Amino acid sequence: KQEVTQIPAALSVPEGENLVLNCSFTDSAIYNLQWFRQDPGKGLTSLLLIQSSQREQTSGRLNASLDKSSGRSTLYIAASQPGDSATYLCAAQTTGNQFYFGTGTSLTVIP
Amino acid sequence: DGGITQSPKYLFRKEGQNVTLSCEQNLNHDAMYWYRQDPGQGLRLIYYSQIVNDFQKGDIAEGYSVSREKKESFPLTVTSAQKNPTAFYLCASSIAFGLATGELFFGEGSRLTVL
Repeated sequence: KQEVTQIPAALSVPEGENLVLNCSFTDSAIYNLQWFRQDPGKGLTSLLLIQSSQREQTSGRLNASLDKSSGRSTLYIAASQPGDSATYLCAAQTTGNQFYFGTGTSLTVIP
Repeated sequence: DGGITQSPKYLFRKEGQNVTLSCEQNLNHDAMYWYRQDPGQGLRLIYYSQIVNDFQKGDIAEGYSVSREKKESFPLTVTSAQKNPTAFYLCASSIAFGLATGELFFGEGSRLTVL
């Protein structure tokens, strides 16, 4: 069964810093890797979707990369802002059509 | 605006009662899902539906039931058989099920508390 891990569980950075969030998965036979943002008490907002044939996706200050062979994905956030404070989750979709979620990294950007 | 609407946002249940959580989407998506989120745990799949009048059990289906009578709607009933129902419930949808799933979109969630 696919296991998805996100380390660290929590991260605090000063405003303006660039940062990287990590997502690792045990089964490299994935179809999609999707990154989400979750604010407290809210649903998940899709940030980026990387298909297995792609290496990375970019949206504004966000860049997500995927390395299937090493079982890793990273989410790079440039020039962090207090509004980026949230929990970030990754989900790996296996070829068996299931989505497996990590437990998330809680990010705090300090003004 | 297209999206997924879940209601109610907050729900309190007495032990022994069944409750139904609503999920409606206007994205014209074929596939719909129900997840449960508990503190410190990843999202866990309860049920999913690939198409109208069809649904499949996920990893933690015991104590839950669903229906899919319309493409837009996928209600979840939490029955009295669910031993620990207090949790945050999330409904999601995608264009299709399988390799052409595309992005997974979520509603705002429903928080159920058992008194």
